[in-house]
Amino acid sequence: KQEVTQIPAALSVPEGENLVLNCSFTDSAIYNLQWFRQDPGKGLTSLLLIQSSQREQTSGRLNASLDKSSGRSTLYIAASQPGDSATYLCAVKDLGGGADGLTFGKGTHLIIQP
Amino acid sequence: DVKVTQSSRYLVKRTGEKVFLECVQDMDHENMFWYRQDPGLGLRLIYFSYDVKMKEKGDIPEGYSVSREKKERFSLILESASTNQTSMYLCASRGEDVSNQPQHFGDGTRLSIL
Repeated sequence: KQEVTQIPAALSVPEGENLVLNCSFTDSAIYNLQWFRQDPGKGLTSLLLIQSSQREQTSGRLNASLDKSSGRSTLYIAASQPGDSATYLCAVKDLGGGADGLTFGKGTHLIIQP
Repeated sequence: DVKVTQSSRYLVKRTGEKVFLECVQDMDHENMFWYRQDPGLGLRLIYFSYDVKMKEKGDIPEGYSVSREKKERFSLILESASTNQTSMYLCASRGEDVSNQPQHFGDGTRLSIL
């Protein structure tokens, strides 16, 4: 059964720093990996999706990489801003049969200090 | 932009009541999902539907049922609500291509069972 782990569970950094969030998964047989942002009490906002054949995706100050063979992904946030404060979740879509949902990590709670 | 709308942001019900959570998407997506999110447990898939009147169980279907009579609407039903079903419920939808289409989430329904 797929397991997704996110490290660290929480992170607090000063504004302006570049930072990296980590995600690992146990089964490399995946369709894709998706990064989400969740603000307190709200739903999930999709940030980036990386297909299994891709190595990275970029959107603005965000860059996500995928190393499928080692079961790792990173989310790089450049020049962090207080508005980036949120919980960041990664999730994988397995190739295997069964339910078609995503398997989620428990998230990294990020605080950007002004 | 994809919009997934959940009918209630907050809901308070009593033990034993039958509870309906409604979700509507406006992108003609084939696939729709219900998750619940709990502290320390993350997001877990309850049910998903890949077409009208079609459904499959996710990881934690016990105590729940679903209904999909129209393509745009997916309902989660708590047959007899219990206190352990107090949670944040999130609905999502996705287009047909599993490899390169992200899941899009609603804002969530925070359900309290008293």
